[in-house]
Amino acid sequence: GAGVSQSPSNKVTEKGKDVELRCDPISGHTALYWYRQRLGQGLEFLIYFQGNSAPDKSGLPSDRFSAERTGESVSTLTIQRTQQEDSAVYLCASSLTSGTHNEQFFGPGTRLTVL
Amino acid sequence: AQKITQTQPGMFVQEKEAVTLDCTYDTSDPSYGLFWYKQPSSGEMIFLIYQGSYDQQNATEGRYSLNFQKARKSANLVISASQLGDSAMYFCAMRVGGTSYGKLTFGQGTILTVHP
Repeated sequence: GAGVSQSPSNKVTEKGKDVELRCDPISGHTALYWYRQRLGQGLEFLIYFQGNSAPDKSGLPSDRFSAERTGESVSTLTIQRTQQEDSAVYLCASSLTSGTHNEQFFGPGTRLTVL
Repeated sequence: AQKITQTQPGMFVQEKEAVTLDCTYDTSDPSYGLFWYKQPSSGEMIFLIYQGSYDQQNATEGRYSLNFQKARKSANLVISASQLGDSAMYFCAMRVGGTSYGKLTFGQGTILTVHP
């Protein structure tokens, strides 16, 4: 079956512009996660959705970052007034919630470059 | 707060040899899960193996095994019979709490290079 997909794969923007990143989870996966990975670093958690509610948004770095999810489907991560420190790969993952460990399946990521 | 520490920035191994990648964790929650992911140069994240805090036996998945030492709070990944395709970044991650889903906290990763 289809995996997690993300678009765009690459995004170059100018400082101060807004960007929207999209994630399509695996069908049937109730949970959806956003992470950020700076070059050569580990993944930083941003936010997670259970259905269309966000029980944990503790990783969002500032109020410039927001995310929403439509039902148990597509999610959009929006970064307003982008800064150069926002440059990173943004990874989306999805998982079931019914199993014993429910590993997260990751998308290919969106590489964001803020000039 | 939970934390994952991977102290080996880079590791080298000869093809067909075994290698151990270190991971220590810190949490006060008695219920947690430990994951290992592989990230090749292409950037995708590939799930390798899982160990639950209450699991009595060390997890194994093919050539991957997890050396779980609860008292030491370590969850080292052992790769047996290394292959050239094992060259990648490896991340240890932890999820805490009683649910089987939720955010993962990742370590900084270890770059593994397999030499022919």
